Amino acid sequence: GAVVSQHPSRVICKSGTSVKIECRSLDFQATTMFWYRQFPKQSLMLMATSNEGSKATYEQGVEKDKFLINHASLTLSTLTVTSAHPEDSSFYICSARGQGGRYNEQFFGPGTRLTVL
Amino acid sequence: AQKVTQAQTEISVVEKEDVTLDCVYETRDTTYYLFWYKQPPSGELVFLIRRNSFDEQNEISGRYSWNFQKSTSSFNFTITASQVVDSAVYFCALTNQAGTALIFGKGTTLSVSS
Repeated sequence: GAVVSQHPSRVICKSGTSVKIECRSLDFQATTMFWYRQFPKQSLMLMATSNEGSKATYEQGVEKDKFLINHASLTLSTLTVTSAHPEDSSFYICSARGQGGRYNEQFFGPGTRLTVL
Repeated sequence: AQKVTQAQTEISVVEKEDVTLDCVYETRDTTYYLFWYKQPPSGELVFLIRRNSFDEQNEISGRYSWNFQKSTSSFNFTITASQVVDSAVYFCALTNQAGTALIFGKGTTLSVSS
């Protein structure tokens, strides 16, 4: 139990295009999802927190108009990188938290590696 | 503010050596949780352990052991008889009781050679 998937696992796109990354909780309802970003050889940094049905809360320095987050259901959150540029190339990892019992903790997805040419 | 410090950036050992990865944390909360994750080259985070602030018992799982000391705000991780498969980046992380996002340390890259 407590499986989180991400799709795609790897994406390469041209500068200026938009990319959507999906994060799904497969066997539990995720009331909260977190999006992290990890640049090469660096740590994971929180980008935003989203609660189902609410607007995402973004960390300082993260452009909300560039990184659109939608958490429309209890099993799916999406991160759209709009007008991607090479500096957005990174490893994006989501985590999902359920409610109650063992699900009241975070479970991480496998990550999505974005390369912008 | 919460903070996690992993002072060791890179560690290289030879197989069968024991190695300890250090983690020092800062928090004003009385209730908090500490974690260790392994990140192999594939990138996927592998959960190793979660410890809450009220449980200072050391834990052992196979070749892995953890030493939690609130007096020094440390949560160190020891691998006994290291193996090449242990080569990875290891992250220590912290969160408070409300289950907010994890604060990660910068990670320690462990290289085990044969």
